[in-house]
Amino acid sequence: NAGVTQTPKFQVLKTGQSMTLQCAQDMNHEYMSWYRQDPGMGLRLIHYSVGAGITDQGEVPNGYNVSRSTTEDFPLRLLSAAPSQTSVYFCASSYSEGLSPLHFGNGTRLTVT
Amino acid sequence: AQSVTQLDSQVPVFEEAPVELRCNYSSSVSVYLFWYVQYPNQGLQLLLKYLSGSTLVKGINGFEAEFNKSQTSFHLRKPSVHISDTAEYFCAVSPLREGAQKLVFGQGTRLTINP
Repeated sequence: NAGVTQTPKFQVLKTGQSMTLQCAQDMNHEYMSWYRQDPGMGLRLIHYSVGAGITDQGEVPNGYNVSRSTTEDFPLRLLSAAPSQTSVYFCASSYSEGLSPLHFGNGTRLTVT
Repeated sequence: AQSVTQLDSQVPVFEEAPVELRCNYSSSVSVYLFWYVQYPNQGLQLLLKYLSGSTLVKGINGFEAEFNKSQTSFHLRKPSVHISDTAEYFCAVSPLREGAQKLVFGQGTRLTINP
């Protein structure tokens, strides 16, 4: 049981490039989400999904796109990277909405130059 | 809207000493409260949570926290720390209607245990 798997672990992009951060979970969790972690600011919610085909915006969605075509996968797309998107990105999942706790992946460290 | 303030960005303590990590929150509605721990180069793990009932909650690794509604605080304590407790600790809240998923996090407190 791998839990929540994020790839890649590290990535360096130039301004304007695009890329997709991958997130997969093998726990049959309905709820998945993306957070970014910046020094001194804690984690902030970017996008979330309550099930396949359903996504919604969190606190800081600008510059990011998501889709949820399967229960297992929830990729995060940066269409045109900016230096302000330099951050550590965490994917999290839970069995369902309600009181199920979040399970986090180990993160992707992204640097945009 | 909700906000969470962790009053100390860094807390150094000696091994076997007690520790308290402070967390205050602001919210116009009732909230659930959480503490998460992040060990180096890992994701966050749930340490403990307050959903309802007794205001003193116990978590993993000997940690406990007390919910104080009048002071809007949820401080984390451990009576005797170990080197392995070195990590970053995050306090988080979520409005009752949002369940345990849409968390608002504090800035984090880096706990360093010295031998």
